[in-house]
Amino acid sequence: GQNIDQPTEMTATEGAIVQINCTYQTSGFNGLFWYQQHAGEAPTFLSYNVLDGLEEKGRFSSFLSRSKGYSYLLLKELQMKDSASYLCAARDSNYQLIWGAGTKLIIKP
Amino acid sequence: GAVVSQHPSWVICKSGTSVKIECRSLDFQATTMFWYRQFPKQSLMLMATSNEGSKATYEQGVEKDKFLINHASLTLSTLTVTSAHPEDSSFYICSAEPTRELLEQYFGPGTRLTVT
Repeated sequence: GQNIDQPTEMTATEGAIVQINCTYQTSGFNGLFWYQQHAGEAPTFLSYNVLDGLEEKGRFSSFLSRSKGYSYLLLKELQMKDSASYLCAARDSNYQLIWGAGTKLIIKP
Repeated sequence: GAVVSQHPSWVICKSGTSVKIECRSLDFQATTMFWYRQFPKQSLMLMATSNEGSKATYEQGVEKDKFLINHASLTLSTLTVTSAHPEDSSFYICSAEPTRELLEQYFGPGTRLTVT
């Protein structure tokens, strides 16, 4: 079956760095997405990886290892507004997105 | 950037009535639209995938006769919750995909449905 695993909840301190891991098992692979979702709002796109390596976009970076079925989202210089759920999703061979349950990130002052 | 709108943003209805939610892609044509449901503190659950001009594909466990989806044009899809019950109260989110080759799905702002 197809499956996405990510931690349920993480806590970090304002100004620090946090890494949110995601492992996936899909039938075929056509990219790995990270979305941010604040409570009561729809998800917003953060990053997309289809090749191995690190993609950097400002304070956020995303890494992919296809051989390991593994990705992480790295958030630097954490701000209170980064408190949200972070959703990992992998696109399978049918271009369907398989969603993880999300990681709730709590930022403390 | 691509914008997807949803209407209404929230709705309260009585048990047994039907509610229609609209999803529109404002500045692009969406070959595929998706409907998700999200219960409090839970992740997105894909309900169905719809392609313009064809019947929607429903995920396992989603009643197609209860959740009617119409994708009449390349910019509009509607979800009708028929004979709503309190357990249907949830956050319904649509997303649109311009082409399969494009990177991401664009999400609407969501519709919060409360059935009393």
